[in-house]
Amino acid sequence: GAVVSQHPSRVICKSGTSVKIECRSLDFQATTMFWYRQFPKKSLMLMATSNEGSKATYEQGVEKDKFLINHASLTLSTLTVTSAHPEDSSFYICSARDAARGADTQYFGPGTRLTVL
Amino acid sequence: DAKTTQPPSMDCAEGRAANLPCNHSTISGNEYVYWYRQIHSQGPQYIIHGLKNNETNEMASLIITEDRKSSTLILPHATLRDTAVYYCIVRVSPRADGLTFGKGTHLIIQP
Repeated sequence: GAVVSQHPSRVICKSGTSVKIECRSLDFQATTMFWYRQFPKKSLMLMATSNEGSKATYEQGVEKDKFLINHASLTLSTLTVTSAHPEDSSFYICSARDAARGADTQYFGPGTRLTVL
Repeated sequence: DAKTTQPPSMDCAEGRAANLPCNHSTISGNEYVYWYRQIHSQGPQYIIHGLKNNETNEMASLIITEDRKSSTLILPHATLRDTAVYYCIVRVSPRADGLTFGKGTHLIIQP
């Protein structure tokens, strides 16, 4: 149990285009999902917290107009990188909190590697 | 969240127990110790968590000292697939915000 999927696993796009990444909790309902970004040889950095049915909360320094987050259902959150630039190239990882399992264990997706040319 | 200190890297022979230390000397009474790991180019994986008692699951054991200022994650029979970066995270639970990852320990299992 507690499986989180992401799609696509990797994407290459041209500078200036937009890319959508999907995060799904497959066997549990996630009222809260999180988006992280990881640059090479660095730790994960939290970008935003996504709550079902409400606006996302962004960490300091993360542009909300550039990284659009939608959490329309209890099993799906999407991250859209708008007008992507090469510096947005990174490993994007989502996680979902399964509150029903107690404490606040988070389950992570496999990640999406974005390369912007 | 209490600050954690972990060695940047460790080696362990395949088949032996891997013992990963974490120092969290400023931990407060309501903070849990969580362990996650990240295998290269994958999302992190939850391993185990505990408050003050030792915990064991199918993946690992967590030993927390009586004063709670440090803990050790034990992988009893390490395999090559356990090569990963291991993160020790201390935080109050439950809470609704995301995790703060430090630099972790890069555990390398040697054949």
